[in-house]
Amino acid sequence: DAGITQSPRHKVTETGTPVTLRCHQTENHRYMYWYRQDPGHGLRLIHYSYGVKDTDKGEVSDGYSVSRSKTEDFLLTLESATSSQTSVYFCAISEPGLQPQHFGDGTRLSIL
Amino acid sequence: KQEVTQIPAALSVPEGENLVLNCSFTDSAIYNLQWFRQDPGKGLTSLLLIQSSQREQTSGRLNASLDKSSGRSTLYIAASQPGDSATYLCAVNTGFQKLVFGTGTRLLVSP
Repeated sequence: DAGITQSPRHKVTETGTPVTLRCHQTENHRYMYWYRQDPGHGLRLIHYSYGVKDTDKGEVSDGYSVSRSKTEDFLLTLESATSSQTSVYFCAISEPGLQPQHFGDGTRLSIL
Repeated sequence: KQEVTQIPAALSVPEGENLVLNCSFTDSAIYNLQWFRQDPGKGLTSLLLIQSSQREQTSGRLNASLDKSSGRSTLYIAASQPGDSATYLCAVNTGFQKLVFGTGTRLLVSP
C-alpha cells in the first residue's frame, strides 16, 4: 500500500451528529482526495486538495467540508450526518503531472 | 458531464481464459485513464495508467488500450487465474487529477 491510513475504519453513528474522518499519508504527495462509494454509483469525488489550505469541491460536496492544515493530513467532516451519507469513504493521494492515484483501505460509515 | 460505463457488469470464466473488459466514456477531453482492481472490503489498487497521448500500456499479463477519439478503453487479461477474481474499475482524469469512475466489472475466475 502507498502509505495511506484512514481512521476510523468503521463507524456507526446517529443522524444529526458531527463526524470527522481522517486521512494520513506518509508519501508527502501534494494532492489528496475524498471519494464515496455507493452501490450503483461507483466512486464519486467529494472534495480534493491541491496543497496545504488549498481545497475545492467535487461532484458530491453538499453536506461535507474538508480541511488540510498539514501536507500529511486531510480531514473530511460531516457537520450533521444524515442517513444518505451512509457509505464507504476512500481517501486517495497523487502527485501533480498526470500521475496515478493511490487509495487507502476505506472507512465504512453507517448513519442510523 | 463525463459519464463512464463498464461492460459487462459481471463476468465468470474458467481459469486460463483470455478476457477483455470494456470501458467507455462520453467526453474525449481526458488527460489519462486509469484501471484499478478492488478486492472485497479493500481499497483500490492501481493497475495501469494510460496517458491521453498513448495507445496502450502493459504490465505482466495485463494490457490496456485507449482510443480517445471513440471514447473507449479495454483491459485485456491473459491466461486468467483465480487470484484475478476482483472488481475492476476504470476511471478518467478530467483535469486536476479529478477522476470519474465507472461502476466496475466484477470478475470471477473459477479453478
